[in-house]
Amino acid sequence: GAVVSQHPSWVICKSGTSVKIECRSLDFQATTMFWYRQFPKQSLMLMATSNEGSKATYEQGVEKDKFLINHASLTLSTLTVTSAHPEDSSFYICSARTDGSSGPQYFGPGTRLLVL
Amino acid sequence: AQRVTQPEKLLSVFKGAPVELKCNYSYSGSPELFWYVQYSRQRLQLLLRHISRESIKGFTADLNKGETSFHLKKPFAQEEDSAMYYCEGGSYIPTFGRGTSLIVHP
Repeated sequence: GAVVSQHPSWVICKSGTSVKIECRSLDFQATTMFWYRQFPKQSLMLMATSNEGSKATYEQGVEKDKFLINHASLTLSTLTVTSAHPEDSSFYICSARTDGSSGPQYFGPGTRLLVL
Repeated sequence: AQRVTQPEKLLSVFKGAPVELKCNYSYSGSPELFWYVQYSRQRLQLLLRHISRESIKGFTADLNKGETSFHLKKPFAQEEDSAMYYCEGGSYIPTFGRGTSLIVHP
């Protein structure tokens, strides 16, 4: 149990376009999901906390207008990278908890974004 | 502010040697701590949580409130243990350590 999927697994786009990444909890409901960036050989950097039915909470330094998060249902959160630039190229990972406020996280496989 | 520290970026051992990956935490309240493992080209997956006090793949981790530590241990490392290991302090907003790369040589 506690499986999280992400789609797409990788995407290449041109600079200036927008890219949407989906994160789904397949066998549980997730009131809270998290979005991370992971740079090569580095730890995860929390970008934002996605709350079902309300606005996401962004970490300091993360542009909310750049990284739009929508958590419209208990099983789906989306991250849209708007007007992507090469510096947005990264590995994006989502996670979810079965218990929204605490407990372990279950991670998606990640999405590799390359902006040309 | 809460903080999780993994002092070692890299830990290199030979097969059969004991392994200890260090994790120290710093925040108020009752900590909820986890270890995750990320094998090459795989997603992060939960390895241990402090409340379970169980052994997974031969690994154990004990919460030491006096030393504010949650070190991950295994008495005899195996080559398949080579991976990245992350310690997380799990309050509502999760905090990760920087990760420790464990390399087990044959």
